Amino acid sequence: GENVEQHPSTLSVQEGDSAVIKCTYSDSASNYFPWYKQELGKRPQLIIDIRSNVGEKKDQRIAVTLNKTAKHFSLHITETQPEDSAVYFCAASGPYNTDKLIFGTGTRLQVFP
Amino acid sequence: NAGVTQTPKFRVLKTGQSMTLLCAQDMNHEYMYWYRQDPGMGLRLIHYSVGEGTTAKGEVPDGYNVSRLKKQNFLLGLESAAPSQTSVYFCASSSLGDTNQPQHFGDGTRLSIL
Repeated sequence: GENVEQHPSTLSVQEGDSAVIKCTYSDSASNYFPWYKQELGKRPQLIIDIRSNVGEKKDQRIAVTLNKTAKHFSLHITETQPEDSAVYFCAASGPYNTDKLIFGTGTRLQVFP
Repeated sequence: NAGVTQTPKFRVLKTGQSMTLLCAQDMNHEYMYWYRQDPGMGLRLIHYSVGEGTTAKGEVPDGYNVSRLKKQNFLLGLESAAPSQTSVYFCASSSLGDTNQPQHFGDGTRLSIL
């Protein structure tokens, strides 16, 4: 079955710097890769997702890149702000709606003012 | 539009007790999921449903049962609670589509088993 590894487990950056979180997956059939943000005590919320037919997707200060050959994908946050502080989870899933999402173990991002 | 609503928000049980967690969604989503979240382990799928009257096992189904009698509701049951089931439980739902659709999560239920 699918296995998703996420690094680093914690990340501290200064406000205004960039943050990068990386994930690798094992199943070459996976083609849907969402990223969720979870603030302390809150629900996970989808912030961006990418499908395997594209290599990069951007939404304002966040972007996701996908390398299908190497089976890894990354979340990039530019111009970080204190409100970006949260736990971020990557996930991977196969092409069909009935395929299960497999989550990484999360990255705790702290942005210091 | 409430989205995905979970009840209760908190619960403390004694070992061996039973309880049911309720998940309700008002988005007319076909698919519903139950996850548990433990420190350092991300979200792990317990059971899921692809439509009313259907259920299927996820990664960690042992000790849990589920039912989807109505499209909008997905129930998670613990027949005989164990301390290892202390966790935060999240319900999620997603719409039907040709390809995988984003999952929308509820606020979670924090469950402690003593």
